[in-house]
Amino acid sequence: DTGVSQNPRHKITKRGQNVTFRCDPISEHNRLYWYRQTLGQGPEFLTYFQNEAQLEKSRLLSDRFSAERPKGSFSTLEIQRTEQGDSAMYLCASSSTGGSGANVLTFGAGSRLTVL
Amino acid sequence: GQQVMQIPQYQHVQEGEDFTTYCNSSTTLSNIQWYKQRPGGHPVFLIQLVKSGEVKKQKRLTFQFGEAKKNSSLHITATQTTDVGTYFCAGPRTGTASKLTFGTGTRLQVTL
Repeated sequence: DTGVSQNPRHKITKRGQNVTFRCDPISEHNRLYWYRQTLGQGPEFLTYFQNEAQLEKSRLLSDRFSAERPKGSFSTLEIQRTEQGDSAMYLCASSSTGGSGANVLTFGAGSRLTVL
Repeated sequence: GQQVMQIPQYQHVQEGEDFTTYCNSSTTLSNIQWYKQRPGGHPVFLIQLVKSGEVKKQKRLTFQFGEAKKNSSLHITATQTTDVGTYFCAGPRTGTASKLTFGTGTRLQVTL
């Protein structure tokens, strides 16, 4: 297993365009999380899935953001009508729900979004 | 909502000096986790503390979870340049085991 994989690593887009990020978690992990991180800040929770079910979504997340995990494996995060304030690093993480590693997050390298 | 603050925001030490970062949550935590993020990297898990008053050591790093389960600390003895990075605490509110709220982070710079 190569860990948590995210792509693209970098995305530059113009304001108003839609973007989609993909995350492939560790295969044994049934939980998948999306976080957003801006410079000098800690990761901010966006949403998480257990298998294919989206169990929680941040109240700070606007309706322009949507995430899916259709088969309980990879996940996508789509941002519609991007705004300059969406510029950030989007981090995906996965975890198991049992054993010594339960709820311990393994992060991917992130997808950096720049909105011009 | 739950807030997790860390102090200091930034610390610059000379190699060999000690370093401590403090983490305070506005709500009781079911556990506390610590992550390290190197410059340009992503957060990497260091340790998890579960019990009230728990102390764990990893070589030069000592982690402590407060008695009230609302605060924690990370102490590094005799820092090395490899310790450079930002240290985040993170914890789920009691009763919510899954959603981690991250602290504001402490950035550590170590020079020779």
